[in-house]
Amino acid sequence: GENVEQHPSTLSVQEGDSAVIKCTYSDSASNYFPWYKQELGKGPQLIIDIRSNVGEKKDQRIAVTLNKTAKHFSLHITETQPEDSAVYFCAASPEAGTALIFGKGTTLSVSS
Amino acid sequence: GAVVSQHPSWVICKSGTSVKIECRSLDFQATTMFWYRQFPKQSLMLMATSNEGSKATYEQGVEKDKFLINHASLTLSTLTVTSAHPEDSSFYICSARDGLAVRGTQYFGPGTRLTVL
Repeated sequence: GENVEQHPSTLSVQEGDSAVIKCTYSDSASNYFPWYKQELGKGPQLIIDIRSNVGEKKDQRIAVTLNKTAKHFSLHITETQPEDSAVYFCAASPEAGTALIFGKGTTLSVSS
Repeated sequence: GAVVSQHPSWVICKSGTSVKIECRSLDFQATTMFWYRQFPKQSLMLMATSNEGSKATYEQGVEKDKFLINHASLTLSTLTVTSAHPEDSSFYICSARDGLAVRGTQYFGPGTRLTVL
C-alpha cells in the first residue's frame, strides 16, 4: 500500500520568512496530492492540492510542487505570518475523492 | 463552500458503553464518506470507507464489529463505537466526497473527541 513520508516534523521560522515542507510517496498509482492545515482541536482544512499532470500550482502565498518521477512533492509558504502556525499534513491518493494516506504532519511555528 | 458537520463535538462515556457519532454533509450529496482516527500529536489514520447504501470497507486492523458504520443517506453517515474502552479514546474525523462535483473534492468535518473513562 501507499506510504507517505513527511519532513520535517517541526519547523520554526521568523515572520516574513519562507517555510518548506517536503513529502515523498511510494505508490506510483497515486495521482492526487492535497495539503491540509490543522489547528488545535479542529478538523483538517484543505489549503492547496495538485494532480499528477501538473508540476506546480500556486495560490497567493502558498505553492506546491510535484516531481512525479522522484515521487516527492513540497509545500512552500512565503511571507509567513503568525496565523500560519499550525500542523500541516500532506496526503496522497489515486484520485481526488478517494481515501487519503496522510504523512505524519509538520508543526509549523511562526514567531513575530 | 461545502460544509461537513459532526455531532457531538466531544463526548465522555464510561467503559463498556456505546457511542454514536454523526457526520453530515450540509450542502452537498456525499456519495462516499471516510472515517479517520487521530491520536494526540499523530497523523490521521483511515479507518473505513463508506458508500451510500452499501456496507463499509474497513482498513486492515480495524474491527468492523467494534466500529459500526452506517451510510443510510447521501447526507448522513454514523460511526458507532461499541463497548468502548479507554484505548478507544481518540479524535474521530469524518470526510465526505461531493458526488456531483467533477473534481470530487473531499471535505473534512471538525472532528469528535471521544474520551472513555
